Amino acid sequence: EVQLVESGGGLVQPGGSLRVSCAASGFTFSNNWMHWVRQVPGKGLVWVSHIYSDGSNTNYADSVKGRFTISRDNAKNTLYLQMNSLRAEDTAVYYCARGGPFSGFVLWGQGTLVTVSS
Amino acid sequence: DVQMTQSPSSLSASVGDRVTITCRASQSISSHLNWYQQKPGKAPNLLIYAASSLQSGVPSRFSGSGSGTDFTLTISSLQPEDFETYYCQQGYITPYTFGQGTKLEIK
Repeated sequence: EVQLVESGGGLVQPGGSLRVSCAASGFTFSNNWMHWVRQVPGKGLVWVSHIYSDGSNTNYADSVKGRFTISRDNAKNTLYLQMNSLRAEDTAVYYCARGGPFSGFVLWGQGTLVTVSS
Repeated sequence: DVQMTQSPSSLSASVGDRVTITCRASQSISSHLNWYQQKPGKAPNLLIYAASSLQSGVPSRFSGSGSGTDFTLTISSLQPEDFETYYCQQGYITPYTFGQGTKLEIK
């Protein structure tokens, strides 16, 4: 089955760190750009970061630049988002998504909730 | 950053109606515009990519048009399962910004 499955969300204190993962199956992970998108429950979608298929290039939203790091392990078919110096405003559901520059985000995971609170 | 402005923010319509949602970019994005549908508590689902290409498996009542800065999503005959929230997104340049969403409600 073609799918993305996120894991690793949870409750973390402000200033803390968390790594969320996205396991891919059913397609050639190493051929695809991957993205992280977040959504505060009840609010809109916000693109967070993306990484090229071979990991050679990454980009970030200004709101997370310098605090979040996207990476991938093509041998394990897994995408990661390392989140450091977390703030209350980072509280959201984090989705991973597969998509190239001209195709849109064609496949999404179910999302993992990250809550930053003391 | 490219700002994406959707209108309206909410829309009331009836089953069988034809509805149009618009999305305006703050600068030209060529045809790098995608449309998504999202159900509550679920991940978004791609409907239209590259402004007018229908994603595989999406009903043909959905269509998209536009280029440059102005884009539209049209649903030709609303079905009960279409009363959800819709987002546009530009894929032209990072950050790949989304519109604020349009909630389609039953009249």
